[in-house]
Formats: sequence, C-alpha cells, structure tokens
Amino acid sequence: GESVGLHLPTLSVQEGDNSIINCAYSNSASDYFIWYKQESGKGPQFIIDIRSNMDKRQGQRVTVLLNKTVKHLSLQIAATQPGDSAVYFCAENTGGFKTIFGAGTRLFVKA
Amino acid sequence: EAGVAQSPRYKIIEKRQSVAFWCNPISGHATLYWYQQILGQGPKLLIQFQNNGVVDDSQLPKDRFSAERLKGVDSTLKIQPAKLEDSAVYLCASSSRQGARTGELFFGEGSRLTVL
Repeated sequence: GESVGLHLPTLSVQEGDNSIINCAYSNSASDYFIWYKQESGKGPQFIIDIRSNMDKRQGQRVTVLLNKTVKHLSLQIAATQPGDSAVYFCAENTGGFKTIFGAGTRLFVKA
Repeated sequence: EAGVAQSPRYKIIEKRQSVAFWCNPISGHATLYWYQQILGQGPKLLIQFQNNGVVDDSQLPKDRFSAERLKGVDSTLKIQPAKLEDSAVYLCASSSRQGARTGELFFGEGSRLTVL
C-alpha cells in the first residue's frame, strides 16, 4: 500500500555498497513495472522498466528483478554513489495505459 | 530536447480561492498526465489525456478540479474552490504512445500548492 504522511521507508547504505530497494505490487494483470527516482524539488525520473514476461533486466549500474509469484519487484543499485540519494518509487502500467505509483523508499548514501 | 515545462513553480492561496497550473509537454508527445503528490506519498494520477481527449479522469475530484488540453498540446489544471487538503505538488508528465504503454513518462518539476 501507499506510505502515509512523512514516514517513508528508509534505506541507508555506505558509499560503494550495493543497494536493494523492494516493492510489493497488487495488480497481477499489469503489463510493465517501472522504477522512478525523485530528487528533492524535482519530478520523478524514469530509471528502468521490465515487462511482465521477464524476471530480470539490467541497465547501467541497476538491475530490476520481478517475482510474479509473490508480486514483488526490486531495484538493485551497484556501487551506490552519493548522487543516488533520492526517493525511489515503483510503478505499474495497468491495462488502459495507466501508470500507477506505489509507495516510495528514501535512499540515504553515507560517504 | 526541451523537457516538460510547468508554471508556476510555487503558489500560496487561501482556502476557497482558485488556482490554475499550466503545462507544456515534450514536443510530439501525444499523452499528457496530471498527478497530485502529497508530501511523503507517491504521485496519484488525476487525469490522463491522449491528444486532446480524456483517457482517464476517475480520480479527479470533478466538483472542484477541472483540466483541459486544447489543441492537443498545452494543458491547464484548475482548482476552484481550493481546500486545505489540496496542498500538494501538481506534476505534469508526458509520454510518447510507446511510453504510455510501458510507463516511461517524462515529468516536469511540478507546481507546489500551499492552501492556507
């Protein structure tokens, strides 16, 4: 479900470590699953997507894993950098071309 | 390539007043979205246009919110009268037809509304 108020789940990692951000989704009929990054004062920025018929997709320093059995999506960031500090949102694209955002996770990168 | 432009960036009004937000999408993008983002939450879809037609407005509070996209390019979102709970960032996004299918949206920086 969605986070309420200011209490976003938070993940704190050391610079250079790998980060794993998790997300549970609800609609098993969604065709695409997407990760967005939102920095303070800015709009969300597309990172990577994965189609429902795949279970893994890799980008530059990021990997998205999809487990349809348990309706779980994760974003792995390799060698996390200070510039990765942001709020990360998972989203799903449902039938009818609607993109619905889930709860966010705030990532802090410690130098 | 120019991104999604929104204005104003910030607006403070009193409850029961009206406000309007403007959005200019990326050139050539047929799909335009307005999302509402309350502090600490994910963006919530208010309305989605395909060219100048409404695709989905099921989450738009139609008693006070209205939106239009004349000529299939720029869009305005209006709130009248505003309530305290309308305080949020209003995000405009656009996408190509392919992007609408995969969920690859391009967002503007948002318009932050504070209702006192």
